[in-house]
Amino acid sequence: NAGVMQNPRHLVRRRGQEARLRCSPMKGHSHVYWYRQLPEEGLKFMVYLQKENIIDESGMPKERFSAEFPKEGPSILRIQQVVRGDSAAYFCASSTDRGDNSPLHFGNGTRLTVT
Amino acid sequence: GESVGLHLPTLSVQEGDNSIINCAYSNSASDYFIWYKQESGKGPQFIIDIRSNMDKRQGQRVTVLLNKTVKHLSLQIAATQPGDSAVYFCAEGGNNRLAFGKGNQVVVIP
Repeated sequence: NAGVMQNPRHLVRRRGQEARLRCSPMKGHSHVYWYRQLPEEGLKFMVYLQKENIIDESGMPKERFSAEFPKEGPSILRIQQVVRGDSAAYFCASSTDRGDNSPLHFGNGTRLTVT
Repeated sequence: GESVGLHLPTLSVQEGDNSIINCAYSNSASDYFIWYKQESGKGPQFIIDIRSNMDKRQGQRVTVLLNKTVKHLSLQIAATQPGDSAVYFCAEGGNNRLAFGKGNQVVVIP
């Protein structure tokens, strides 16, 4: 039973380019979360999605960031016109229920570096 | 607003000794708590969870204690092994999500 799969593992983008991060949840999981982690920091909530719906995006920056979880295919976190401050590790997690009521299972993250 | 914090940034422990990691939380409405372990270059790995109707829960070599009166959570690791070296995060559930603390580095000395 494959865990949460994220790709790419490492992504390098120049300022102004777009970054697309992909996440395939565990089989049978319909709840997906994205978190961002800066070096030596905890994980900061970004967005919570269920299939085809954004449930809570209160942790997402208002501009340049978007997320989707289509009916078919992986969840995508998209960052447009990246800036150096976007450099971080982005983790996706999935669960069978809401994340405040059941364990989240995390992928190994995508490490984004903006040059 | 809610906040979750850890008291000690780094804990060095001799192999075979017990480890205790502490965590304070401020949202008294939280009713679900989790401990995660994160090794370098990997995502957080679930260790153990506890709901607010319990004050203690045991797993394999780990025990989580919850003191709702003082809003304190702790993780005890018995007979610490080199493979336990990692950063440990506590997290509290509320508002459809988990809120994480900053993390506590555990270093096991062989």
